[in-house]
Amino acid sequence: EDQVTQSPEALRLQEGESSSLNCSYTVSGLRGLFWYRQDPGKGPEFLFTLYSAGEEKEKERLKATLTKKESFLHITAPKPEDSATYLCAVRTISGSARQLTFGSGTQLTVLP
Amino acid sequence: DGGITQSPKYLFRKEGQNVTLSCEQNLNHDAMYWYRQDPGQGLRLIYYSQIVNDFQKGDIAEGYSVSREKKESFPLTVTSAQKNPTAFYLCASNGQNSPLHFGNGTRLTVT
Repeated sequence: EDQVTQSPEALRLQEGESSSLNCSYTVSGLRGLFWYRQDPGKGPEFLFTLYSAGEEKEKERLKATLTKKESFLHITAPKPEDSATYLCAVRTISGSARQLTFGSGTQLTVLP
Repeated sequence: DGGITQSPKYLFRKEGQNVTLSCEQNLNHDAMYWYRQDPGQGLRLIYYSQIVNDFQKGDIAEGYSVSREKKESFPLTVTSAQKNPTAFYLCASNGQNSPLHFGNGTRLTVT
């Protein structure tokens, strides 16, 4: 069974204090790893897709990386507006072509 | 602007009543999905549809029903058979080889 585990469950940072969120996965065959941002009471917003180990994607203060077992979302010099829940999801060969398996998320709070 | 519209944002129902959640998209996507989100858990797939007039059960379909009569619309009915219906429901869609786009959800409370 495909599994996706995110850690930590919650993270509190001071503004400017860089850190990383982890998404580890156990899947039969990865066909893509996705990062989403979710604000309270809203739907998830797409951030990145990664397909192969060694791949990196960047957007403003965020950088996502991928290995064969896990992905990291690095947050450099975060600001309070980066506070949100970050979700990781995988698409695998065992699921339907368009189905995703989601982790439970990391709730990030950035204090001013 | 293209997007996914879910309505209503909040919904309250008495136990034993069926309720239908609306989802409309103008992204011209073939595939549409319904997820349920509970605190501390990942999104769980209820139903999905890859083409009009066809849909498949996801991981937690019991107590739910859907229809896909139009490409733009994928309503979800939460029936009285669903034992724990109170949750945040998210509708999503995507095209070929594209990431999921989500609506802003409907929070259903059943008392």
